[in-house]
Amino acid sequence: NAGVTQTPKFQVLKTGQSMTLQCAQDMNHNSMYWYRQDPGMGLRLIYYSASEGTTDKGEVPNGYNVSRLNKREFSLRLESAAPSQTSVYFCASARTGTPIYNEQFFGPGTRLTVL
Amino acid sequence: AQSVTQPDIHITVSEGASLELRCNYSYGATPYLFWYVQSPGQGLQLLLKYFSGDTLVQGIKGFEAEFKRSQSSFNLRKPSVHWSDAAEYFCAVGGNAGNNRKLIWGLGTSLAVNP
Repeated sequence: NAGVTQTPKFQVLKTGQSMTLQCAQDMNHNSMYWYRQDPGMGLRLIYYSASEGTTDKGEVPNGYNVSRLNKREFSLRLESAAPSQTSVYFCASARTGTPIYNEQFFGPGTRLTVL
Repeated sequence: AQSVTQPDIHITVSEGASLELRCNYSYGATPYLFWYVQSPGQGLQLLLKYFSGDTLVQGIKGFEAEFKRSQSSFNLRKPSVHWSDAAEYFCAVGGNAGNNRKLIWGLGTSLAVNP
């Protein structure tokens, strides 16, 4: 049981380049999330997917797109990277339903630097 | 408005001393409360959670937290801190509303442990 996995672990981009961060979970969770973490700002939700086939914006969606490929996988795409997107990105998943427990399980993170 | 406040940005304690990290929340419905820990360079790990029942909950690594509804608080405690407890601690609140699948996060408290 790998839990939540993320690839890559580290990435350096130049301004304007694009890339996709991959996330997969093997816990049969229906909800998945992308966060960014910056010093002093805690965790900020970028996008989330409450179930396969649905996605919704979080607090800071600008400059990002997501795809819920199937129940296991949720990818985050930067179409044209900017230095302001330098951050640590975390993917999380949760078993939500009735009753909803909202306990989220996190991946190890991707450390992204945009030059 | 829904929010989580962790009043202490940074705390330093001596090894063996007791610890209390504060968390106050504002939430319109029945709250589900969580404490997560993040060691340097790592992802977030769930320490403990409160859904209902006994207001004093036990977690991993010897941590406990007490839910006080009247004070809208969920403070984290440990009787004797170990050097390995140095990390970032996050409090979060979620709910059981039908469409609520997100957590509201505090900004975190950074814990340093002096030998």
